[in-house]
Amino acid sequence: DIQMTQSPSSLSASIGDRITITCRASQSISSDLNWYQQKPGKAPNLLLYATSTLQSGVPSRFSGSGSGTDFTLTISSLQPEDFATYYCQQSYYTPWTFGQGTKVEIK
Amino acid sequence: EVQLVESGGGLVQPGGSLRLSCLVSGFTFSNYALHWVRQAPGKGLQYVAGISSGIGSKTYYADSVKGRFTISRDNPKSTLYLQMSSLRVDDTAVYYCVKQILRYFDYWGRGTLVTVSS
Repeated sequence: DIQMTQSPSSLSASIGDRITITCRASQSISSDLNWYQQKPGKAPNLLLYATSTLQSGVPSRFSGSGSGTDFTLTISSLQPEDFATYYCQQSYYTPWTFGQGTKVEIK
Repeated sequence: EVQLVESGGGLVQPGGSLRLSCLVSGFTFSNYALHWVRQAPGKGLQYVAGISSGIGSKTYYADSVKGRFTISRDNPKSTLYLQMSSLRVDDTAVYYCVKQILRYFDYWGRGTLVTVSS
């Protein structure tokens, strides 16, 4: 199975900060990389798909980039509702696999 | 409104079996691939299994469940299943039913908790 590695595993940031989360695949996955946000006790929610396409209803402060093996999720100005855990997922090879998650906490 | 409602979770002893169900509404069930994703308490998301749409549905499994879990679908009943056998303590998790569109997951159920313990 393809291994997905996120960094950092957690980070502390303040409202208004710009943050970046990195996701690395163990093999090239073209642009088949998705990002999900999960809040405690809730199911995950799709943020971006195909590396950089925003899901309907997701604020434009979220953006994604990358290709091949290295990808990033950027939040341009952190808002209170963005404190959550973020997961990348590759959808190039079956079975589709997730990164271990990045928890974004309030500083 | 798209809804995926899981059921069938509960407490089971190691080595036991359990069948999860996911009743779907709000879209044409037979047209979409569906998956199970799990999350152990306090841990991250783990892909479990998937099944394609159409006749002769293909199935996909994580290595950790291959040979023990079977995914299936009943299109007339709009229901997805996960038959789990030879359950282990590390199968304890919330199991989510997930809908696929293109190459991503657009809708998730609320999940059902499976606890494997003696």
